[in-house]
Amino acid sequence: DGGITQSPKYLFRKEGQNVTLSCEQNLNHDAMYWYRQDPGQGLRLIYYSQIVNDFQKGDIAEGYSVSREKKESFPLTVTSAQKNPTAFYLCASRGQGAYNEQFFGPGTRLTVL
Amino acid sequence: QQQVKQSPQSLIVQKGGISIINCAYENTAFDYFPWYQQFPGKGPALLIAIRPDVSEKKEGRFTISFNKSAKQFSLHIMDSQPGDSATYFCAASIVGSEKLVFGKGTKLTVNP
Repeated sequence: DGGITQSPKYLFRKEGQNVTLSCEQNLNHDAMYWYRQDPGQGLRLIYYSQIVNDFQKGDIAEGYSVSREKKESFPLTVTSAQKNPTAFYLCASRGQGAYNEQFFGPGTRLTVL
Repeated sequence: QQQVKQSPQSLIVQKGGISIINCAYENTAFDYFPWYQQFPGKGPALLIAIRPDVSEKKEGRFTISFNKSAKQFSLHIMDSQPGDSATYFCAASIVGSEKLVFGKGTKLTVNP
């Protein structure tokens, strides 16, 4: 099956710890994205990457870091500098078409204890 | 300029009724307008999309209406079913841009 996988589905973290969320796609898409979703806030862009070894900050990048060493993988690290990390995190990818048609993974719910 | 304003925040419709969700934008450079459907605990899924060179696009019970002069577009769900209960997001993008700008979502509840 082609698609986007995110792991884990649920993640619990203690305050002060860094945690890494996994995102893998087998759609052969160049562009990948990370969004944060909070109730009533819609989807807010954290980071995106158009090609391997390159990525750009989105609207709320502070306290997050990413890497793009492989086309298929775009992990997100939530650092201890993120003040309010409890949220639903969504990864997406986009193909080569002219239109910004993004496909989303199932999400990871991060809870800071 | 980069905002997409979505309304209402929540909507309750009876089974068989019409659900209408509206979005407005300011940036006239937007030229791709998708709608996403999200069920609780799941990722959003692309539902239907439109470009401003057409005023309406229909796919099954889902229709996008687009009013370029008013800078508004809306999603109509005909014969709404309980299985349509979900959160719907409108979005906008400039062709060739890497970013989608999302509305804040509408939680639709269809009562049986």
